[in-house]
Amino acid sequence: DQQVKQNSPSLSVQEGRISILNCDYTNSMFDYFLWYKKYPAEGPTFLISISSIKDKNEDGRFTVFLNKSAKHLSLHIVPSQPGDSAVYFCAASASGQNFVFGPGTRLSVLP
Amino acid sequence: EAGVVQSPRYKIIEKKQPVAFWCNPISGHNTLYWYLQNLGQGPELLIRYENEEAVDDSQLPKDRFSAERLKGVDSTLKIQPAELGDSAVYLCASSPQGGNTEAFFGQGTRLTVV
Repeated sequence: DQQVKQNSPSLSVQEGRISILNCDYTNSMFDYFLWYKKYPAEGPTFLISISSIKDKNEDGRFTVFLNKSAKHLSLHIVPSQPGDSAVYFCAASASGQNFVFGPGTRLSVLP
Repeated sequence: EAGVVQSPRYKIIEKKQPVAFWCNPISGHNTLYWYLQNLGQGPELLIRYENEEAVDDSQLPKDRFSAERLKGVDSTLKIQPAELGDSAVYLCASSPQGGNTEAFFGQGTRLTVV
């Protein structure tokens, strides 16, 4: 049973527009969340995090929103750039335990 | 600062043969992870070390997989014997400490078992 779900395997967005990547989780004990970006033939690189005590965290063009009641988080990229084309993974952990990763969403930003 | 280094980058072996992967974490990082990533899926934890101690190896198939982290620095993951289903990317990651801290990943080793 997948505890972290990313139901959109892929997403295409025009350059300059907003990209919204979604993540849903089932374990209500999850209290810390990460987003990673992965280019082909490279390992995932950390992008942004959010704790369950917050509902929003922003870092430059990247903002993560957390809706605890819905067990849902989203990553917004504004404006999207071609270099943002990658696979994005959502990961969650409970009380400092190991992170559980979602299956990823492939983002394509079209020039 | 050097990142997490893994070798080899690619490995092709015949089934039933042994294979080993090596990882050098970021200097000073006490926590080291080995992950398995199948195509189209996210990384799945195999084992986590805090210094030399394997604190979570519940997902490691111990009949054929083994790992060690000598002196709490470098780590080796071994498969013996390899099976066709072991074809995947093996990722090593490290973090300054466990818990709610992001991990830094190496480039991974892509294993193909034929």
